Amino acid sequence: KNEVEQSPQNLTAQEGEFITINCSYSVGISALHWLQQHPGGGIVSLFMLSSGKKKHGRLIATINIQEKHSSLHITASHPRDSAVYICAVRTPMNRDDKIIFGKGTRLHILP
Amino acid sequence: EPEVTQTPSHQVTQMGQEVILRCVPISNHLYFYWYRQILGQKVEFLVSFYNNEISEKSEIFDDQFSVERPDGSNFTLKIRSTKLEDSAMYFCASSGRGLGVETQYFGPGTRLLVL
Repeated sequence: KNEVEQSPQNLTAQEGEFITINCSYSVGISALHWLQQHPGGGIVSLFMLSSGKKKHGRLIATINIQEKHSSLHITASHPRDSAVYICAVRTPMNRDDKIIFGKGTRLHILP
Repeated sequence: EPEVTQTPSHQVTQMGQEVILRCVPISNHLYFYWYRQILGQKVEFLVSFYNNEISEKSEIFDDQFSVERPDGSNFTLKIRSTKLEDSAMYFCASSGRGLGVETQYFGPGTRLLVL
């Protein structure tokens, strides 16, 4: 069983649509990351959350620690938002954290 | 804006050869990480490094792998005798603090192909 599950795996939407990507996890965490991986492979960190909600521009990330669930929302989506969005959780180990990645959600925004 | 850099961007090697992947973390960061992503698969944690020693490592990080911070700026990943299954994109990351309190900054990756 995967410790980090994302849904959907693939999402195609029209420009302007409101996008939601979900992440559920089964381990105890110290924080959760949302990352964006561009078609060329580069990874950009979007958010790090340990509680509540964060907003950056058109991106909003929420986390519910009790339900072990996080969502990433994109408002007024644009073709340049097309990328793979990865949820990753930090789980405490002995001296540092181990980070466990989800398989990613491939988002394609059509003009 | 400061960024993590990695060299080379691509490397092709023969099975059994040693490779060294290089990373220059953000200069005031103290925690360093290596990850890999096999083509079409999810990103996987390899190792974290702090205070000149390994903090945590995954099951993937076996005796064939080693990390080093040979000077004040570089952070390297060595694979002693590469196998075909080591072909992947390798990402370096750094953060100012560990223990989940600060975001990590990723490098652009090194694409390793083992023939």
